[in-house]
Amino acid sequence: EIVLTQSPGTLSLSPGERATLSCRATQTVTRDYLAWFQQRPGQAPRLLIYDAINRATGVPDRFSGSGSGTDFTLSISRLEPEDFAVYYCQQSSHAPLTFGGGTKVEIK
Amino acid sequence: QVQLQESGPGLVKPSETLSLTCVVSGGSMTTDYWSWVRQPPGKGLEWIGLISYGGSTNYNPSLKSRVTISLDTTKNQFFLRLSSVTAADTAMYFCTGGSGWLPDSWGKGTLVTVSS
Repeated sequence: EIVLTQSPGTLSLSPGERATLSCRATQTVTRDYLAWFQQRPGQAPRLLIYDAINRATGVPDRFSGSGSGTDFTLSISRLEPEDFAVYYCQQSSHAPLTFGGGTKVEIK
Repeated sequence: QVQLQESGPGLVKPSETLSLTCVVSGGSMTTDYWSWVRQPPGKGLEWIGLISYGGSTNYNPSLKSRVTISLDTTKNQFFLRLSSVTAADTAMYFCTGGSGWLPDSWGKGTLVTVSS
């Protein structure tokens, strides 16, 4: 099983600042089948990034993904009020599919 | 993108079987993969398993002995059955779908509480 470790657990930032979230895998995520999801309170997760670098339909370009192999990053260039949420990485290269533990981006 | 809607009992007794249905609308089930994901209150996401349009399944080993996922493409529905539930199975249950294993469409979720 591929274990995904996200860091930091909580990120305290102000609107307008840049956020950088990390996701590290215990083994290579083949074909970079790594996705990022945003979850706001009381809502289902929403797909932001797939295949490590591709934005899903309708996702603002302030969200970007990078990385390959075992180390991946989600960046939010300028935080908007609606971006304060929990973010999960997820791999679909090996069963069982797994999620990271999440990073909470909170208002400082 | 398809729309998904979960339904089922919100309360299940310990040792009984949890049964949920996901209705898929706005698209066909005959080309995609369909999964269940759960989230205990205040915790992270756990993948339960998936079923292909052809009926092949893949389950999380941690739940495999208790899980069955099935589908009925004629009714655009797929199903989750989780047997011998305990309080640890209390969670929000989401159904998801995608053209591959990636869950790119999600239902809003349904809360299932295990309690006597």
